[in-house]
Amino acid sequence: EAEVAQSPRYKITEKSQAVAFWCDPISGHATLYWYRQILGQGPELLVQFQDESVVDDSQLPKDRFSAERLKGVDSTLKIQPAELGDSAMYLCASSLLWAGSSYEQYFGPGTRLTVT
Amino acid sequence: AQSVSQHNHHVILSEAASLELGCNYSYGGTVNLFWYVQYPGQHLQLLLKYFSGDPLVKGIKGFEAEFIKSKFSFNLRKPSVQWSDTAEYFCAVNGWATDSWGKLQFGAGTQVVVTP
Repeated sequence: EAEVAQSPRYKITEKSQAVAFWCDPISGHATLYWYRQILGQGPELLVQFQDESVVDDSQLPKDRFSAERLKGVDSTLKIQPAELGDSAMYLCASSLLWAGSSYEQYFGPGTRLTVT
Repeated sequence: AQSVSQHNHHVILSEAASLELGCNYSYGGTVNLFWYVQYPGQHLQLLLKYFSGDPLVKGIKGFEAEFIKSKFSFNLRKPSVQWSDTAEYFCAVNGWATDSWGKLQFGAGTQVVVTP
């Protein structure tokens, strides 16, 4: 069964350092999502791509976070500089179309970030 | 802005007991509703979804949910739980609005522990 791949699975970094996460969606999925999940809370959407275009980044802290999906396939989420409050699980998901259609979102295993 | 409220953060019950998890949302327009589950050490995965039609939706592993539009609710039920149902359960809502692109809003989650 096809899965969403993410790497690394775990990342420990010092504050003020740069960190990057990678996501490879299920083949053929046009929509890609990055979520942040803080312990004890549900996932919160950071950015949504339709192919290579950003369609929603309203919750992305753009002063330090950036995301790209240059060829409309895999994607990278970057944080620079990292802050203590960025410690969280970063989830990537993909779907054939957006969540409002009949296509569900498939989630990857996530990257657990700890900022020290 | 839409929001999702899950009534319980933690639920502990014995095998064979019945389970009901509450979910309420605030959004006045058309909604699509989801329940996701995260088993220990596994990815978030879809349990069931409601888009339209019969408000009683059946999902995987014997779960069902009922959409009550007048109460803005989408409660999850299972008549008889098993130890393997120990997991965290998330309710999610996608409200249709011109600026939302169908993004998912998650509740905070309910941790369910089933004891043998």
